[in-house]
Amino acid sequence: AQKVTQAQTEISVVEKEDVTLDCVYETRDTTYYLFWYKQPPSGELVFLIRRNSFDEQNEISGRYSWNFQKSTSSFNFTITASQVVDSAVYFCALSDLPSNTGKLIFGQGTTLQVKP
Amino acid sequence: DGGITQSPKYLFRKEGQNVTLSCEQNLNHDAMYWYRQDPGQGLRLIYYSQIVNDFQKGDIAEGYSVSREKKESFPLTVTSAQKNPTAFYLCASSHPRTGEGDEQYFGPGTRLTVT
Repeated sequence: AQKVTQAQTEISVVEKEDVTLDCVYETRDTTYYLFWYKQPPSGELVFLIRRNSFDEQNEISGRYSWNFQKSTSSFNFTITASQVVDSAVYFCALSDLPSNTGKLIFGQGTTLQVKP
Repeated sequence: DGGITQSPKYLFRKEGQNVTLSCEQNLNHDAMYWYRQDPGQGLRLIYYSQIVNDFQKGDIAEGYSVSREKKESFPLTVTSAQKNPTAFYLCASSHPRTGEGDEQYFGPGTRLTVT
């Protein structure tokens, strides 16, 4: 069965601290896709990144970076120099390719609070 | 601007009434999805549609119904059979590429409260 686990329910940091959000996934597929979404207090999920299983290169986008490690089935997300605007719920998701439905399997989410 | 709209943002209903949540997209996406989000939980798939006039049950379809008569529209009806309908409902769409996992784009959500 495919599964995404975000063990950190809530994280609280002070502004300018670095913070890493963990994501561990389970799948038997050799080809799969991983995603991160941000859900600010307004409620709408904002797409952050999509990564396929063949590309283990780490990615950096501004203050955001992602570390994909197939050996540990992890796709962790780091925010450098956090800001109050980063406060949100962050979801990691896995594509359900075998179902051929376009479905995404979401983790439970990690609530990040950045205090000024 | 392309995007997904959901209306209304807040909806209140009495128990026993059916209610329909609107979802419209102008992204020209073939696939559309409805998710339910409860506090402290991830998103759970209610229904999805990969093409007009076709839709499939997701993981928690009981008590819900949908239609897909137009590419742009995928309304969700929460029926009186849904035992715990109070939740945040999110609509999403994607442009499926065969064999690839495609990102989904989400609307702003509708918060439904049933009393």
